[in-house]
Amino acid sequence: KQEVTQIPAALSVPEGENLVLNCSFTDSAIYNLQWFRQDPGKGLTSLLLIQSSQREQTSGRLNASLDKSSGRSTLYIAASQPGDSATYLCAPPGGYGGSQGNLIFGKGTKLSVKP
Amino acid sequence: DAGVIQSPRHEVTEMGQEVTLRCKPISGHDYLFWYRQTMMRGLELLIYFNNNVPIDDSGMPEDRFSAKMPNASFSTLKIQPSEPRDSAVYFCASSLFLQGYSEAFFGQGTRLTVV
Repeated sequence: KQEVTQIPAALSVPEGENLVLNCSFTDSAIYNLQWFRQDPGKGLTSLLLIQSSQREQTSGRLNASLDKSSGRSTLYIAASQPGDSATYLCAPPGGYGGSQGNLIFGKGTKLSVKP
Repeated sequence: DAGVIQSPRHEVTEMGQEVTLRCKPISGHDYLFWYRQTMMRGLELLIYFNNNVPIDDSGMPEDRFSAKMPNASFSTLKIQPSEPRDSAVYFCASSLFLQGYSEAFFGQGTRLTVV
């Protein structure tokens, strides 16, 4: 069964810092991994979908990497801004009951960027 | 496309009452998912549909929960009778293929409070 761990659980940084959010997962037999952002009281916004063949995916100041062999993914945020404050969720697919392939979510990293 | 649309955004009901949550997936997406998010357990998959057919409902917590998808553009999640422990945020998501093979998009969620 896929298990997802995100470290740290919470992070507070001053504006302008570069930061790395870590995600580890136990089942590396995955085709892709998705990173989401969740603002308080809001839904999940898809940030990046990284496929196992890509190893890295970039969108603006965000860069996600995937290392299937070690069961790890990182989300790099460059030049952080107060608007980046949110909870970031890592979601690889994994076996779920009898059906493979649905997303399994970590508990998230709650990021606070101070002006 | 307006994305995944859920209604209502907030629902407060008394214990024992029936609650119906609604979802409109992104047009053309063949897969629809219902998730529940709580502080204790995070995001959990309840049930998913492929082409309007329920594929895996092993995440549905009890017989009090039921879900239907009468057509490609509409799904409901019903709780009858509701209990205080059902209080949570319920999300609907849709994707073109199974989540492990395509990007998943989430609605804004329905915050359910059972008093």
